[in-house]
Amino acid sequence: DIQMTQSPSSVSASVGDRVTITCRASQDISSWLAWYQQKPGKAPKLLIYGASTLQSGVPSRFSGSGSGTDFSLTISSLQPEDFATYYCQQANSFTLTFGGGTKVEIK
Amino acid sequence: QVHLVQSGAEVKKPGASVKVSCQASGYIFTSYYIHWVRQAPGQGLEWMGIVNPSGGSTSYAQKFQGRVTMTRDTSTSTVYMELSSLRSEDTAVYYCARPPSESSLWFDRWGQGTLVTVSS
Repeated sequence: DIQMTQSPSSVSASVGDRVTITCRASQDISSWLAWYQQKPGKAPKLLIYGASTLQSGVPSRFSGSGSGTDFSLTISSLQPEDFATYYCQQANSFTLTFGGGTKVEIK
Repeated sequence: QVHLVQSGAEVKKPGASVKVSCQASGYIFTSYYIHWVRQAPGQGLEWMGIVNPSGGSTSYAQKFQGRVTMTRDTSTSTVYMELSSLRSEDTAVYYCARPPSESSLWFDRWGQGTLVTVSS
């Protein structure tokens, strides 16, 4: 199985800060990567797919980049509603796998 | 509007089985695969497998092979996930999820989740 390693596992930030989360795949997955946001008690919400394509309705402060094995999700100016946990997911091959998550907390 | 509505919470004893349902609406049921993903308390997301509502074919994560069965009922647009030989480590929220297209393996539609608690 392809292993997905996210870092950091948590980050404390203030409203307005720029936050970057990284995700590394254990093998080349081209651009077959998605990012999700999850809030407590809720299902994950798709933010980015194809490594860099913004899902419809997602604010433009979210962006994704990378290909191959190294990827990143950037929130350009953190808003109060962005405090949540973020997961990457490889969509290259079965078994689909997720990163361990990054919790974005209020500083 | 696309909706995936799951069955309610379950409490099971170790060794028992649980069957979770996911009823789809708002789209052609047989046109999109359905996946199952679970999340243990305070933990990350774990993919379990996929079912093709059209023909019923399935593919399971190796971890769950032999213990999981995913089926569908086209007459009610419902997909089922049955997990047997439950143990405490299976306590989790189980989600059904749907990709935006047949060729996608990411998920833009999710059920609300079903909490399965395994406890003696």
